[in-house]
Amino acid sequence: DQQVKQNSPSLSVQEGRISILNCDYTNSMFDYFLWYKKYPAEGPTFLISISSIKDKNEDGRFTVFLNKSAKHLSLHIVPSQPGDSAVYFCAASAPENNDMRFGAGTRLTVKP
Amino acid sequence: KAGVTQTPRYLIKTRGQQVTLSCSPISGHRSVSWYQQTPGQGLQFLFEYFSETQRNKGNFPGRFSGRQFSNSRSEMNVSTLELGDSALYLCASSFVIEDTQYFGPGTRLTVL
Repeated sequence: DQQVKQNSPSLSVQEGRISILNCDYTNSMFDYFLWYKKYPAEGPTFLISISSIKDKNEDGRFTVFLNKSAKHLSLHIVPSQPGDSAVYFCAASAPENNDMRFGAGTRLTVKP
Repeated sequence: KAGVTQTPRYLIKTRGQQVTLSCSPISGHRSVSWYQQTPGQGLQFLFEYFSETQRNKGNFPGRFSGRQFSNSRSEMNVSTLELGDSALYLCASSFVIEDTQYFGPGTRLTVL
């Protein structure tokens, strides 16, 4: 049962433009959400997070938006750079057990 | 199609013991990766297997080992358990290396 879904397996954008990666979840108990970035041959690294009490969190070029009513979050990267090319995972956890559920990932390619 | 399954889901061990965790990938997937997730360290990469061969390894001590069988099922072993090994251990499978990864529910290990 995929409680966290990233419906776009891949995304390609031009350098300098905005990258928008989407994530949907089904469990209304999730209250903490994270984005991880994964380069080839490396493990995922933490990128940015947001708790359910907020609807936006910003860190430099990265902004995560949370729409609780739609059970949807998105990661915006502005401006996109070739070094951002990686696989991005969305993850969510619920307070009762802190177990994480991950999306399948979206491969972002930023073209020079 | 059944998702990634991990057994057991919960495990309690004492220091000095050893533990074996199991992961069954999605049917047809040949790559299996293991991750350790802790509140303080986040998600850390342990190792990745493809066709019974370890292809990548994270920065973990030799107490952490793994293997993959001909049916792509994978096991992870931790010997001489330490309190700091308490974590959620996640397995993810993909068709090939660097393909979209699908995460299992994890095994929560508690070391007392």
